[in-house]
Amino acid sequence: DTAVSQTPKYLVTQMGNDKSIKCEQNLGHDTMYWYKQDSKKFLKIMFSYNNKELIINETVPNRFSPKSPDKAHLNLHINSLELGDSAVYFCASSQSGLAGPYEQYFGPGTRLTVT
Amino acid sequence: GENVEQHPSTLSVQEGDSAVIKCTYSDSASNYFPWYKQELGKRPQLIIDIRSNVGEKKDQRIAVTLNKTAKHFSLHITETQPEDSAVYFCAASTPSSLMEYGNKLVFGAGTILRVKS
Repeated sequence: DTAVSQTPKYLVTQMGNDKSIKCEQNLGHDTMYWYKQDSKKFLKIMFSYNNKELIINETVPNRFSPKSPDKAHLNLHINSLELGDSAVYFCASSQSGLAGPYEQYFGPGTRLTVT
Repeated sequence: GENVEQHPSTLSVQEGDSAVIKCTYSDSASNYFPWYKQELGKRPQLIIDIRSNVGEKKDQRIAVTLNKTAKHFSLHITETQPEDSAVYFCAASTPSSLMEYGNKLVFGAGTILRVKS
């Protein structure tokens, strides 16, 4: 019955590697997001997708590539990992429509550690 | 773009006392202001939100007030309990041409609330 789920929960990898984080929501939402929470707990949006289409693309290095195979899934692939990519990555989802904005529901987070 | 400042960064209160966290935003067009609570190692969870057409909203021990003229909003927690200890984030959302496809939240830096029993 989990609303927004992410895998893996923890990811430890070396600099230069490529890794992916998966996100799924079963809330029937049209919009999904990726956020990065750094070591100082600051939360910043990276991307949003609506019905598989990219909507928000903040100033994120192009080593980060989101992919949405369907509206219930939004994955994040990171190439050539750097030390500064170490953070907790949260997926979120929300309804969409002109009557919004709507509450965003967050996943449990993926703690990425780059060594 | 929108910028949200949040104060204080840490707040310690005695159990049963009230706690107030304040945020200011820069874009006068912002129209949605949620507050999230994040316990250690957990996900952020919405505790209350307010829209720009409302000045105050209350839900049991939690209330939020909005002053559009001054561009600030505040979270008030009364009768604090140890389980209120967490990091609290305010956020703001500004309407855009893409708003029907979702909303961009700009978060404050967070406030660590410690409730001492």
